[in-house]
Amino acid sequence: AQTVTQSQPEMSVQEAETVTLSCTYDTSESDYYLFWYKQPPSRQMILVIRQEAYKQQNATENRFSVNFQKAAKSFSLKISDSQLGDAAMYFCAYRSAKRGSNYKLTFGKGTLLTVNP
Amino acid sequence: DAGVIQSPRHEVTEMGQEVTLRCKPISGHDYLFWYRQTMMRGLELLIYFNNNVPIDDSGMPEDRFSAKMPNASFSTLKIQPSEPRDSAVYFCASRTGSFTGELFFGEGSRLTVL
Repeated sequence: AQTVTQSQPEMSVQEAETVTLSCTYDTSESDYYLFWYKQPPSRQMILVIRQEAYKQQNATENRFSVNFQKAAKSFSLKISDSQLGDAAMYFCAYRSAKRGSNYKLTFGKGTLLTVNP
Repeated sequence: DAGVIQSPRHEVTEMGQEVTLRCKPISGHDYLFWYRQTMMRGLELLIYFNNNVPIDDSGMPEDRFSAKMPNASFSTLKIQPSEPRDSAVYFCASRTGSFTGELFFGEGSRLTVL
């Protein structure tokens, strides 16, 4: 079974600075998807960024980028120019790309990010 | 699009009572998922449906939990009888059948069982 580990329960960053959230995962599959979700105090889970395992290029969405190290099974999220609105719980998630898989997302326990003004 | 709609947003009930949580997925989405979020266990998949048919309910904790999807636009998660350990936030999510389709979440229903 796949597992996702976020080793940092909490992180903090100064506004306008850069912060990196860590995520490692365990799988025997070669093809899969990785995600970062943001959960603000409103509770709704919002997709931040997605990475396909077969792509070597790291995904980027505006101020958000990932460092995907497939061999190391590592998938970190970098937030540049942090803003107060980035304060939230961040979840790393894994999904198999295997045809016939159950589309199940496996989540890490989350990292609570605080942005200090 | 209105997004995934869940109700109620908050529910407080007493142990032993029946609780029904409701979900309206995004129109056109073939898959519907129920997740539970607690501090101790994080986000857990309870059950998911494809075209209104339950596909995997292995995450349903016990027989007190049941879920139905009578049509493409409505699903319920029922707990009967409820217990304090059921207190959690319950999320509904939906997606299309496209293999790369994004999963969209509702705002969740916070359940407190006293």
